[in-house]
Amino acid sequence: QQQVRQSPQSLTVWEGETAILNCSYENSAFDYFPWYQQFPGEGPALLISILSVSNKKEDGRFTIFFNKREKKLSLHIADSQPGDSATYFCAAILGANTGKLTFGHGTILRVHP
Amino acid sequence: AQTIHQWPVAEIKAVGSPLSLGCTIKGKSSPNLYWYWQATGGTLQQLFYSITVGQVESVVQLNLSASRPKDDQFILSTEKLLLSHSGFYLCAWSPEQYFGPGTRLTVL
Repeated sequence: QQQVRQSPQSLTVWEGETAILNCSYENSAFDYFPWYQQFPGEGPALLISILSVSNKKEDGRFTIFFNKREKKLSLHIADSQPGDSATYFCAAILGANTGKLTFGHGTILRVHP
Repeated sequence: AQTIHQWPVAEIKAVGSPLSLGCTIKGKSSPNLYWYWQATGGTLQQLFYSITVGQVESVVQLNLSASRPKDDQFILSTEKLLLSHSGFYLCAWSPEQYFGPGTRLTVL
């Protein structure tokens, strides 16, 4: 059973648009949700994260919206740039300090200039 | 600042041959360390984690083993490689789960 699901599998937007990447999860006990950005041939980089007690987290052009009741969250990338083209992984942790991550399958984002 | 180093950068190995991959973290004392495997174009699967020297927990069984010989070092190994071991191996430390640059393994 896939514990963390991401959609769409791939997404193409034009430069300047807002890209919206979706994530949902099964286990209501998950309490910390990091998002990672991965470029080909590199390790994933922590982009932004949110605790389940919050419903929104902003960091520059990146915003997470979190709905605990529906077990859904989304990553919004405002003013998308070609350099944002990468694979984005949503992950969930049971216990913020345990490091036991469950990853989704990722969304491939392409930003056309 | 903390830095995480993985070696080698890439390996091409024959089926049935042994393997040893290494991970070193500097600038962080007593980190929790993790090994992940990623198939090409796939998601990340956590393999092992270690919270202290000499202690390693297995998350999934892939005919691999891991050891933590030093506080800042985490080793992934196997005596006999399988074709299915091909992929990208990543080391990470927590709680922030910062990843290393990875090792690309090709088994032929």
